[in-house]
Amino acid sequence: GAVVSQHPSRVICKSGTSVKIECRSLDFQATTMFWYRQFPKQSLMLMATSNEGSKATYEQGVEKDKFLINHASLTLSTLTVTSAHPEDSSFYICSAREDRDAEAFFGQGTRLTVV
Amino acid sequence: EDQVTQSPEALRLQEGESSSLNCSYTVSGLRGLFWYRQDPGKGPEFLFTLYSAGEEKEKERLKATLTKKESFLHITAPKPEDSATYLCAVLYGGYGQNFVFGPGTRLSVLP
Repeated sequence: GAVVSQHPSRVICKSGTSVKIECRSLDFQATTMFWYRQFPKQSLMLMATSNEGSKATYEQGVEKDKFLINHASLTLSTLTVTSAHPEDSSFYICSAREDRDAEAFFGQGTRLTVV
Repeated sequence: EDQVTQSPEALRLQEGESSSLNCSYTVSGLRGLFWYRQDPGKGPEFLFTLYSAGEEKEKERLKATLTKKESFLHITAPKPEDSATYLCAVLYGGYGQNFVFGPGTRLSVLP
């Protein structure tokens, strides 16, 4: 299957700082990328959907000013958690798909811990 | 209301004991149904895509089927390494703009 690389896999940051997570599609061009958050033993919660070159569409309840998403190219999307707080600690996962009917492939996930 | 459900929530099997996982959906304009496997602390791993009722896909001990209302993931003679959470996801909407995951089934295969 196609490869989606997510970096970093783990990050610890201090409360009030910002953290950037990168998601890259390595062997295909991703017209759409998704960002999810996952709590322990729960399913994936969609945060936002981004299409290359346009603004991300955020799910209800997700603060767009706190979770900044940039999809500047067909192979790269970034999620920046601004002014992180301990309650932002979670497992963040990105996925990418090549076209609208294709399967989405997932990154390895990023474990964010805010102390 | 559009939704995706999975059952059972958790399943424990003995090695070699075959079973099936269910994914039921009520959405308009289904474009595809996807099965994923997720191990703890990792991103989901893609398994299958099913696009139309009657379609079947197989991979090693896994077989996925699709009807107009649900999909089954059949596991034949499972091994302990099949233990994981299995997620289904539904793509729907005229532009494929909706991609929704079910809550998952946690499968444990005991040796």
